[in-house]
Amino acid sequence: AQSVTQLDSQVPVFEEAPVELRCNYSSSVSVYLFWYVQYPNQGLQLLLKYLSGSTLVKGINGFEAEFNKSQTSFHLRKPSVHISDTAEYFCAVSDQETSGSRLTFGEGTQLTVNP
Amino acid sequence: NAGVTQTPKFRVLKTGQSMTLLCAQDMNHEYMYWYRQDPGMGLRLIHYSVGEGTTAKGEVPDGYNVSRLKKQNFLLGLESAAPSQTSVYFCASSYGGASYHQPQHFGDGTRLSIL
Repeated sequence: AQSVTQLDSQVPVFEEAPVELRCNYSSSVSVYLFWYVQYPNQGLQLLLKYLSGSTLVKGINGFEAEFNKSQTSFHLRKPSVHISDTAEYFCAVSDQETSGSRLTFGEGTQLTVNP
Repeated sequence: NAGVTQTPKFRVLKTGQSMTLLCAQDMNHEYMYWYRQDPGMGLRLIHYSVGEGTTAKGEVPDGYNVSRLKKQNFLLGLESAAPSQTSVYFCASSYGGASYHQPQHFGDGTRLSIL
């Protein structure tokens, strides 16, 4: 079994500032890692995913994340945020051995970008 | 380009009533999932299906039943609704299992209140 911890439930930032949303995971097997974004009253959309290879993954809307196996982390970053980035962000893991591609989600981080 | 469609979008039930939530996808995905989203708890998997005619339990299956009679549809049933089932329910679908590394596509959710 695996678990995901998002270290900050709320992150307020000013427009054009950099942001980092932190995610740690635990698993006894190798995992795939994902970040999803949820805008108000909508479903989740995939931002980016780590499957293998380069530990720095680039996603949509200027976001990127870095996989750190030794620290079991997958933090999400953006160098300069916009008002439109205000949303809830979810980190998720899927282990590589269990069928069904089941995702285990973190609790979510509400990013609020202020003018 | 419909993707994943959930019906209904909102519903209010009384304790003890039954209802069925419908999820339909038009992407020919093999896998389908039902999640519930509660504040501060992220998304938790209720049931999932790896193909037509198959279903399996997720993390929080008690009080729910599912059916996958057609590949494109995945139904979630509440036989006797309880206030603890007040939540936002999301359906998702994806191509084959972990080996395909495909992300899940989400519907916009069903907001269910049990009085």
